[in-house]
Amino acid sequence: AQTVTQSQPEMSVQEAETVTLSCTYDTSENNYYLFWYKQPPSRQMILVIRQEAYKQQNATENRFSVNFQKAAKSFSLKISDSQLGDTAMYFCAFGGTSYGKLTFGQGTILTVHP
Amino acid sequence: KAGVTQTPRYLIKTRGQQVTLSCSPISGHRSVSWYQQTPGQGLQFLFEYFSETQRNKGNFPGRFSGRQFSNSRSEMNVSTLELGDSALYLCASSPQGAGSYEQYFGPGTRLTVT
Repeated sequence: AQTVTQSQPEMSVQEAETVTLSCTYDTSENNYYLFWYKQPPSRQMILVIRQEAYKQQNATENRFSVNFQKAAKSFSLKISDSQLGDTAMYFCAFGGTSYGKLTFGQGTILTVHP
Repeated sequence: KAGVTQTPRYLIKTRGQQVTLSCSPISGHRSVSWYQQTPGQGLQFLFEYFSETQRNKGNFPGRFSGRQFSNSRSEMNVSTLELGDSALYLCASSPQGAGSYEQYFGPGTRLTVT
């Protein structure tokens, strides 16, 4: 079974600064995908970024980028130029061969201060 | 395209009753997954349906069931409600439902059991 661990329950950052959220996972699968989702106070879960395990290049989406270390089973999310709208709960998720199942970490509450 | 929709958004039920929640996926998506989100347990996978067939099931008692219709709309049912079933129930849709595909989430149904 896969496990996903987010060791930072809460983080805070000043507007315009950079913050990194950590995630580690454990799996015996070789082909899998990793995701970061954002859940603002409105509760709609939104996909932030996706990383294929077979790709060495780290995924980027505008201000969001990941640092994927496959050997270390680490998948951190970097948010640059933080904005007030980035305030949300962030979940790291693992998608493997199990149909329709994402395994989520416990989440990190990120607060961006003006 | 319209996003994933869930009805109702809020529900209050009494212990022992049963409840049915509905989910309409993004047009063209054939896979629907259901998750339970609670403060204590986080996001837990309930089950996944694809082309009207349950392909995967999480570790929940038989009181939790679901189905999918030919138009890919899905329902989940919880019978004999318990206080511990109070949660946010999230539905997500995906083109295929394999781990490689990102899931798109609905706004959720907040179920309160009294």
